[in-house]
Amino acid sequence: DGGITQSPKYLFRKEGQNVTLSCEQNLNHDAMYWYRQDPGQGLRLIYYSQIVNDFQKGDIAEGYSVSREKKESFPLTVTSAQKNPTAFYLCASSRILRGEAFFGQGTRLTVV
Amino acid sequence: KNEVEQSPQNLTAQEGEFITINCSYSVGISALHWLQQHPGGGIVSLFMLSSGKKKHGRLIATINIQEKHSSLHITASHPRDSAVYICAVGGSQGNLIFGKGTKLSVKP
Repeated sequence: DGGITQSPKYLFRKEGQNVTLSCEQNLNHDAMYWYRQDPGQGLRLIYYSQIVNDFQKGDIAEGYSVSREKKESFPLTVTSAQKNPTAFYLCASSRILRGEAFFGQGTRLTVV
Repeated sequence: KNEVEQSPQNLTAQEGEFITINCSYSVGISALHWLQQHPGGGIVSLFMLSSGKKKHGRLIATINIQEKHSSLHITASHPRDSAVYICAVGGSQGNLIFGKGTKLSVKP
């Protein structure tokens, strides 16, 4: 079955450590996105990518980095520069920009 | 002012009731999305529409482009419909701009 796989579902890290969240899709979608969700707020865009080896900053990119070396994969690194990294992170993809979006199950990151 | 506003924020209904969730937006769009998020966090796309009305089972979504307003209706609601329903529109960067969601609880 086609879909988006995020791993792990829960992640704990010590403050000051970088951590990488995985996102893989087998839908053959060109566009991929990373969103952050905080309680009481809508999802906010961190980064997105329209094509391999290209990505764009979203509204809250500071403290995060991404790569898109393969069409299927769009990993997100939460760096130690991110001041408040504890959140729920969602990866999504769509066939084209603004197209119907498919979401992963999310990764809940807790930094202690 | 948020670009996408949903109402109500919270909604409690009895099983069998007809439910309406509203979404207003202030930006020009090509399409509007309705999404469902279950307590575990995963999000499922329910509808993507740019005009008129779409129906899928007990769910109906309508959009009025002139008024910049969309509604999601659930007929014969059931406890398994309990979830957060999210409205989203296409942003200028090619991403989606999300509303804060409507938390629906359907009691048996």
